[in-house]
Amino acid sequence: RKEVEQDPGPFNVPEGATVAFNCTYSNSASQSFFWYRQDCRKEPKLLMSVYSSGNEDGRFTAQLNRASQYISLLIRDSKLSDSATYLCVALMNRDDKIIFGKGTRLHILP
Amino acid sequence: NAGVTQTPKFQVLKTGQSMTLQCAQDMNHEYMSWYRQDPGMGLRLIHYSVGAGITDQGEVPNGYNVSRSTTEDFPLRLLSAAPSQTSVYFCASSTGDGLRTEAFFGQGTRLTVV
Repeated sequence: RKEVEQDPGPFNVPEGATVAFNCTYSNSASQSFFWYRQDCRKEPKLLMSVYSSGNEDGRFTAQLNRASQYISLLIRDSKLSDSATYLCVALMNRDDKIIFGKGTRLHILP
Repeated sequence: NAGVTQTPKFQVLKTGQSMTLQCAQDMNHEYMSWYRQDPGMGLRLIHYSVGAGITDQGEVPNGYNVSRSTTEDFPLRLLSAAPSQTSVYFCASSTGDGLRTEAFFGQGTRLTVV
């Protein structure tokens, strides 16, 4: 079983809508969590870290549910430019290898 | 602002040839890693290193070698290329401070093995 798992999608969402997707992680000892964004044929880039208390950055909200071992990403008022693949990462400690989920594809429709 | 530099950007190899993908970072990061990305498979970790002189296997290490003689460089060697190694390869680095807050990626190498 992969350490982090995601619904591959695609999620086809009309512009302006709210969309949310989750990422489950298998190791309960994981301590750090991140969401990355990857545009088509480009390298991944950090979107946001996920803190225990949840965090918000503009239209993006990330949350952690330790009991059920998943992190979530919520995008409000979606824009065409949000179309991308969103990848999650869960880490145990500073020397832990960085394993990505397969990613969730998001298409924002005009 | 070089960040992570990968070369070459594109490469075509014949089956059985060997080559080295270069990766260099100028951020003094301890952690470096190599991934391959195939359609529907996401990013899969090939090898990684937590510091100079230290390397370890990732999820899909077979057919690849790495070394880390300096903090800056982390080359990936394909010993005898096979068509199954056709992929996009990404190198990444991140700080070893705390719990490694951000991975920075190179622009990728598109490798075709014929």
